[in-house]
Parts: sequence; C-alpha cells; structure tokens
Amino acid sequence: GAGVSQSPRYKVAKRGQDVALRCDPISGHVSLFWYQQALGQGPEFLTYFQNEAQLDKSGLPSDRFFAERPEGSVSTLKIQRTQQEDSAVYLCASSFRELGFYEQFFGPGTRLTVL
Amino acid sequence: AQSVSQHNHHVILSEAASLELGCNYSYGGTVNLFWYVQYPGQHLQLLLKYFSGDPLVKGIKGFEAEFIKSKFSFNLRKPSVQWSDTAEYFCAVNAGGQTGFQKLVFGTGTRLLVSP
Repeated sequence: GAGVSQSPRYKVAKRGQDVALRCDPISGHVSLFWYQQALGQGPEFLTYFQNEAQLDKSGLPSDRFFAERPEGSVSTLKIQRTQQEDSAVYLCASSFRELGFYEQFFGPGTRLTVL
Repeated sequence: AQSVSQHNHHVILSEAASLELGCNYSYGGTVNLFWYVQYPGQHLQLLLKYFSGDPLVKGIKGFEAEFIKSKFSFNLRKPSVQWSDTAEYFCAVNAGGQTGFQKLVFGTGTRLLVSP
C-alpha cells in the first residue's frame, strides 16, 4: 500500500549541472502531475501525463525542463543547466482516473538546491 | 487564468479557539475547490473538496468549508482547534477543459500554529 514516492529527497547541484528527479506513482494510477513549490509559495503546476502521453506541459518554465513517463508508470523530471532560480521543492502527484477530478495523492517532494 | 488568494499567511491560535482561513479564487466558470493540509514533515493531503451540491462541505478532523459563489470564496473553518492542527493549509481550485481540468491552482498557503 505504498503511496507516491520520489527520489532523491534532497539534491544539491552546482549551477549548470543537469539533474533528474524520479517519481513512482501509486500502482494503477493513470494520471501523473509535477508541481514546483518555491519557498513560501504554494505548489505551481508544471506538467501532466495521462499514462505515457504528456497532455499538458504549459507550466514548464523553460525548455531546460523536460519530463517523461515512457511506460506510463514511473516519471522523470529533468532539468538541464540548472540555475539558482530552479531551487524549489518538486512535487509529484498521481490520481486514479483520467477524466474528471479524482483526488491527487502527493509524494514527499524532492528539495533541489542550486548553488 | 485562475488564481487563488489566501489572505492570512500566518495564524497563531490557542487550543480550543475557533479557526477561519480565508480563500478567494478568480474564475468565472464552474470550479472545483479544495483544501489541502501539510503537517510538519508529511506530504500534502486532501482535507476536503467541493464539486457541487450543498455548499457547506465537511472534511476530515472536524474541518468544514463553505462555498459562496457570489463572493468567489471557499473559507475553511473549525470550531475548536487542537495542537495537532498545527500545519500549513492550502486552498486550491481546479477548472478548465478535459485536459486542463486536472490541473490544480494553489494559493500561497497559511501556516497555522496552535499553542497548547
């Protein structure tokens, strides 16, 4: 009965490095979301997958951000050439169905610090 | 675009005091509304939600919220808080088409500290 898991929990990167953040959704959940939460702010939507299809990537802040979910389960958020403004907690959430709203279950997040 | 405003960033209460956290949203169409809670060291979790019907919704742990369409508000209430309610509370709205429908737009959050 595991929930959404994310790894690593903490990541420190030097400016310019590439990072990859992993999300393991709840088994059987069709929908997967990535959110970015800056310090003192609420989560902000980045992108949404329905199975392996990326249906909405309107929240990705730049072309340095890339997300994939090739087999419709595990997802990876990649940030290339990290910048200090990328420092934030990256949250992954999954939900059971694809249409309508079903509760989104959140993971613990990955705290990214870019030095 | 939708937006959510939470007016109180920090709230400090004594145990047994009553709580009301304000939330206003901007969106002219049909919305679904949510309150999420994040206890210290834990994940975000759903506290309660409004989709349709009775505008007064009840959630877990004695929380309730009232949807007032004319005021674009969805305030969270609890008659008597406990020390264990210390957490950060986020209001969120969900609106849009079939694909955009899933996206949650969050407020900036309210940190509640309940002193014993």
